[in-house]
Order: sequence, then C-alpha cells, then structure tokens
Amino acid sequence: EAGVVQSPRYKIIEKKQPVAFWCNPISGHNTLYWYLQNLGQGPELLIRYENEEAVDDSQLPKDRFSAERLKGVDSTLKIQPAELGDSAVYLCASSPHRGYNEQFFGPGTRLTVL
Amino acid sequence: AQRVTQPEKLLSVFKGAPVELKCNYSYSGSPELFWYVQYSRQRLQLLLRHISRESIKGFTADLNKGETSFHLKKPFAQEEDSAMYYCAFRHNAGNMLTFGGGTRLMVKP
Repeated sequence: EAGVVQSPRYKIIEKKQPVAFWCNPISGHNTLYWYLQNLGQGPELLIRYENEEAVDDSQLPKDRFSAERLKGVDSTLKIQPAELGDSAVYLCASSPHRGYNEQFFGPGTRLTVL
Repeated sequence: AQRVTQPEKLLSVFKGAPVELKCNYSYSGSPELFWYVQYSRQRLQLLLRHISRESIKGFTADLNKGETSFHLKKPFAQEEDSAMYYCAFRHNAGNMLTFGGGTRLMVKP
C-alpha cells in the first residue's frame, strides 16, 4: 500500500504567485486533514474533511488559502497569492473515519516562497 | 485553549542511557494523548497512544493527570531511536490533533 500520496514534494515560487498542492489519501479513508508545519514547530491543522465536506476550517486563512475535496477522495490545497511567510511544509493526513484515533501522514510538500 | 508543550528542542544522550522526552498539556477534562515520531527522511507516524498503555520499540508513556504530563521514556536508548518526537493532544471525536513543538532526540554511539 502506497500510503498517503502528496505532490509535488518540493515547490519554489516567487511571492504573489499561486501554488497548489495535491493529496491522495489511503484508499477508503473518509477523513482527510491538511496541516501546516513551520520550521522548528509541530504541525498545525488547517482544515479537516469528512468525505467531501469541510467540517473544520477555522484555522485556514481564507483570504488567500482555499481547499477542495470534490469527490470525497483526493484533495487540493491552494494559495493565491503566496507570501514569504507561507514558506513551510504542507502535510496531508488521512484516517478511516473521524473516530479513528490514528492519523496517517503523507511525506509533505516543502514550499519555498522567494 | 488546549496546548501541548515540549520544553526541550534537542535531547542528546549516549547509546544505552535512559531517555525521557517531556510533554506537558493544558486541558481540564480527560485528555487523549499520543506520541508521533519522524525518522530521518520518513513521514510522521504514530508511535504510541496513552489509552493503549502499550510499549512500542521499548518506549512507554504514562499519563499523569496531576502533573498534566505525558512523558516518553525508554530505559536504554539505541542509535536508531534518533528522530523527531512530537507529543499530540486529541480534540474530542473529531480526531483533531494539537501537536507540541517537537523534540529532536540524538543518540550518540
């Protein structure tokens, strides 16, 4: 089993440019999470999906960040426009359902904004 | 608000020495706590959860509600234990996790 797949693994862009990250969770996992991990810190939740519904996006900066999970499977996280402070690792995780007490993480996408 | 604190950014020990990675939390109810680990060039993965009261790779962690702590311990550290360790707190049934800042464990030969 491949586990949670994320692409790209690395992305370098200039500020004010748009960027998108893609995540494919483990097959059959209904719950999907996007986390932001700044250098030297632990992951911070941005948004959680139950199937195609975003059930917690209180930490998502909605002025520039957006996310979707249209068919309840894979998901895309977008930043438009990117700022220097957005440089970080963006992690995707999934779990079979919201009551399952383990999350399975992808390798992350490392974003550098110049 | 719930908070998880890992006071040590870096912990360096020699192989065979005991190791304790500290984790403190702030929450007035009954918490669910976890330790996640990230080995070099690998993804973040669950190490252990307090409700299971399990020992994984020789590591144990006991929830101390009086001290609001969930320290990770191992009596004899091995070089392959070198990794980043994150303590995490689970929010209700939504399985939302709040992570601590992480501790890098270096086990020297």
